[in-house]
Amino acid sequence: DAGVIQSPRHEVTEMGQEVTLRCKPISGHNSLFWYRQTMMRGLELLIYFNNNVPIDDSGMPEDRFSAKMPNASFSTLKIQPSEPRDSAVYFCASSSGTTDTQYFGPGTRLTVL
Amino acid sequence: TQLLEQSPQFLSIQEGENLTVYCNSSSVFSSLQWYRQEPGEGPVLLVTVVTGGEVKKLKRLTFQFGDARKDSSLHITAAQPGDTGLYLCAGRRTSYGKLTFGQGTILTVHP
Repeated sequence: DAGVIQSPRHEVTEMGQEVTLRCKPISGHNSLFWYRQTMMRGLELLIYFNNNVPIDDSGMPEDRFSAKMPNASFSTLKIQPSEPRDSAVYFCASSSGTTDTQYFGPGTRLTVL
Repeated sequence: TQLLEQSPQFLSIQEGENLTVYCNSSSVFSSLQWYRQEPGEGPVLLVTVVTGGEVKKLKRLTFQFGDARKDSSLHITAAQPGDTGLYLCAGRRTSYGKLTFGQGTILTVHP
């Protein structure tokens, strides 16, 4: 049974470039969450969707970040333009409902030079 | 300022020792969860506590929710190298609120 799938697992890019992170939630799950993890700030919720609709994006750092969920099986988190301070591990998680157990993907380690 | 403060940040012990990790807040939480994260992987849920004073056991791990629902602890008995990892607490202020995570405790158990 496949868990949450994220791609790429590692991304190295230069400042100013566009970065797109991808997530495939567990089949049948209605809620999807994007988190960012750094040593300084820990694990922070960026945005979450319920039934493909963004519910709370108050954690999105600034306009350079955007997230979409065009269908129940795919979501993207885009950073344009990227900056060195965006370097972090980005996790996607999914759950049956908004407050049900969240299952995390393996994360994407982003390095912006 | 973190809503959930975990202590200690780092813990390095020998196999067989006992340890306790704390998760404290000045706010009341509807529920609190503990996760374990291994390098290169995402966090995995260990337990959810919802009632003040609640105690849950998972093999050698004992979780407690404070009476006032502002704090929680994780106690590991006879730690093993396989317990090594990052332990995170996370809470919901309301039943349908989003999860807020603590900074985590990095535990290393030496053989």
